[in-house]
Amino acid sequence: DAGVIQSPRHEVTEMGQEVTLRCKPISGHDYLFWYRQTMMRGLELLIYFNNNVPIDDSGMPEDRFSAKMPNASFSTLKIQPSEPRDSAVYFCASSQGTTQPQHFGDGTRLSIL
Amino acid sequence: AQSVAQPEDQVNVAEGNPLTVKCTYSVSGNPYLFWYVQYPNRGLQFLLKYITGDNLVKGSYGFEAEFNKSQTSFHLKKPSALVSDSALYFCAVRAPDSNYQLIWGAGTKLIIKP
Repeated sequence: DAGVIQSPRHEVTEMGQEVTLRCKPISGHDYLFWYRQTMMRGLELLIYFNNNVPIDDSGMPEDRFSAKMPNASFSTLKIQPSEPRDSAVYFCASSQGTTQPQHFGDGTRLSIL
Repeated sequence: AQSVAQPEDQVNVAEGNPLTVKCTYSVSGNPYLFWYVQYPNRGLQFLLKYITGDNLVKGSYGFEAEFNKSQTSFHLKKPSALVSDSALYFCAVRAPDSNYQLIWGAGTKLIIKP
C-alpha cells in the first residue's frame, strides 16, 4: 500500500493568504478524517467523511476552514483567509469501516507568518 | 462526559527494562480502544486495538496492552524496551454510540535510555 499521501509536507505563508492542503487516502477506504495537532491542544478532529460525504464538521474551528472530498481518492482542506493561530500540523487519515484503525499521512506542517 | 487520560507526560525507561504507558478512559457502553505511536515528523501509526475478546492484546513491534474493565484502563506494555521505542504514544477510545469520533489522550513521551 502507498499509504495516505499528503501534500505539501511544509507550507509557509503570510497571514491573509489562502492555504490548500491535499490528501489522497488509501484505496478502498471509505472514511477520511482531517486532524490538527498543536502542542497546546493536542490532536483535534476537524471533520470526517464517509463515502465522500461530510458527516461531522463540528470540529472545524471557524468559517475560514472548509473541506471537500470530490471523489474517493482526493480531499482538500482550505483555510481562507489564514491567520497565525492556524499554524499547526494537519493530518489526514483514512480507514475501512468503523472498527478498523485509522491510517495517517505524514502531515502538513503549516506556518502562518 | 467521555474522556481519555494518559496521566504521565513522559516515561523514562532504561533499555532492556520492561515499560508501561498508562491509559484510563471514561465512556458509556463497551469501548473500542486503540494505541498509536508517533515518531518525529511522522504521522501516527497504529499499534494495536481492543474491540472484544481476550483482554490481552498483542500488537506491532512487540507491544501489548491489557484491557481492564473494572479499572477502566488499557495500559501499553513491552517486556524489554529498545532505544528505537522512543516516541510519542497516544491512547484513543471510541464509544459504540459516538458517531465514530475517536477521543484521544494527550500523549505520553517515552524515552528509552541506553
